[in-house]
Amino acid sequence: QVQLQESGPGLVKPSQTLSLTCTVSGGSISSGGYYWSWIRQHPGKGLEWIGYIYYSGSTYYNPSLKSRVTISVDTSKNQFSLKLSSVTAADTAVYYCAREGVGSSGYRNWGQGTLVTVSS
Amino acid sequence: DIQMTQSPSSVSASVGDRVTITCRASQGISSWLAWYQQKPGKAPKLLIYAASSLQSGVPSRFSGSGSGTDFTLTISSLQPEDFATYYCQQANSFPRAFGQGTKVEIK
Repeated sequence: QVQLQESGPGLVKPSQTLSLTCTVSGGSISSGGYYWSWIRQHPGKGLEWIGYIYYSGSTYYNPSLKSRVTISVDTSKNQFSLKLSSVTAADTAVYYCAREGVGSSGYRNWGQGTLVTVSS
Repeated sequence: DIQMTQSPSSVSASVGDRVTITCRASQGISSWLAWYQQKPGKAPKLLIYAASSLQSGVPSRFSGSGSGTDFTLTISSLQPEDFATYYCQQANSFPRAFGQGTKVEIK
């Protein structure tokens, strides 16, 4: 059973870079066949898709965030990471990592989510 | 980019009621649609994939239908544990997009 776990600072100052890591257990990122994704949820709001990375390193980002987002993968540690630069209070959200099978529809595996607050 | 629109935004219902939630895509997505249930403080849980396929372990009172641009999630007989927020999501193309959510509340 694949499990995902987010980790990183819960508080980030405005204008700084938000950095989160998702550690995968019970399955290998390098085996392929999955999009490893980041999704966020503003407090009391809906779900916003941020982007994905494939094990090969190919990525796709939401155009609304593209200029500030970088997703990377470390297959040796079975982790993938999110960096979001120049954050503002509008980036305060619960951030989820999730896995979607290529050619399937839907995210079957999610992390528990981590709240990141942007505040000075 | 594809936009997803859900209706209603909230619904009040009683245990045993039949509840229907609709989702419309801004362009055709064939059957590339998923439905999720989310409870407060928890990650979303996949209920339906490929518009009408029930995810393993999900009760059969949940069903999905539709293709193209119009989709429906039905709960045939609402149970106490079903009070939650439900989201649709298109999986036809990137960027992925979610509906704004439908909150199912106790009447």
